[in-house]
Amino acid sequence: GNSVTQMEGPVTLSEEAFLTINCTYTATGYPSLFWYVQYPGEGLQLLLKATKADDKGSNKGFEATYRKETTSFHLEKGSVQVSDSAVYFCALRYSQGGSEKLVFGKGTKLTVNP
Amino acid sequence: DAGVIQSPRHEVTEMGQEVTLRCKPISGHNSLFWYRQTMMRGLELLIYFNNNVPIDDSGMPEDRFSAKMPNASFSTLKIQPSEPRDSAVYFCASSPTWAPNGGGETQYFGPGTRLLVL
Repeated sequence: GNSVTQMEGPVTLSEEAFLTINCTYTATGYPSLFWYVQYPGEGLQLLLKATKADDKGSNKGFEATYRKETTSFHLEKGSVQVSDSAVYFCALRYSQGGSEKLVFGKGTKLTVNP
Repeated sequence: DAGVIQSPRHEVTEMGQEVTLRCKPISGHNSLFWYRQTMMRGLELLIYFNNNVPIDDSGMPEDRFSAKMPNASFSTLKIQPSEPRDSAVYFCASSPTWAPNGGGETQYFGPGTRLLVL
């Protein structure tokens, strides 16, 4: 079936460190891929997206490249800030039986210390 | 612009009671979604509507759960009777449109309702 697997957290980094959160997917067809961020006490917000192979999504210094050959969409940031502390979700959008679905990974909690 | 509005933000109830969660989507959005988030199962889609019509309710756990969308600006998720295992954060989300070939269209989430069933 269609699913997303992302690295388990929690991840703890110092400010200005490099961040990678791994995400791999299983899908039929050509899904769209997303990263969402959830700050404490809030709903999920779209961080970035990619709709086809080799697309690179970017926003707020975060980047992820849609790699069809490795079925991956890893999230990266060159220099994290304390304000990046949140839970990050990788997600996949696909069609099934006339229904459009968005399936999420379990989330990775990131804590950035000053 | 106002985002997705959910009420109440917190709900504590006793087992067996009826619980009603409410959602107002972003104006002009044609699709509305209800999700449940727990530590064990993560984020799960319960049901979604296009133009007030339920499209996929395969995620609704059982008959105790029901959802309605009487008009484009309001939806409810009802649990009757509630059980402790229903304790979770329930999110409502909306999207301008959610259809095949929609590709990169995203969903906009509300702040959630934290439900605790004792």
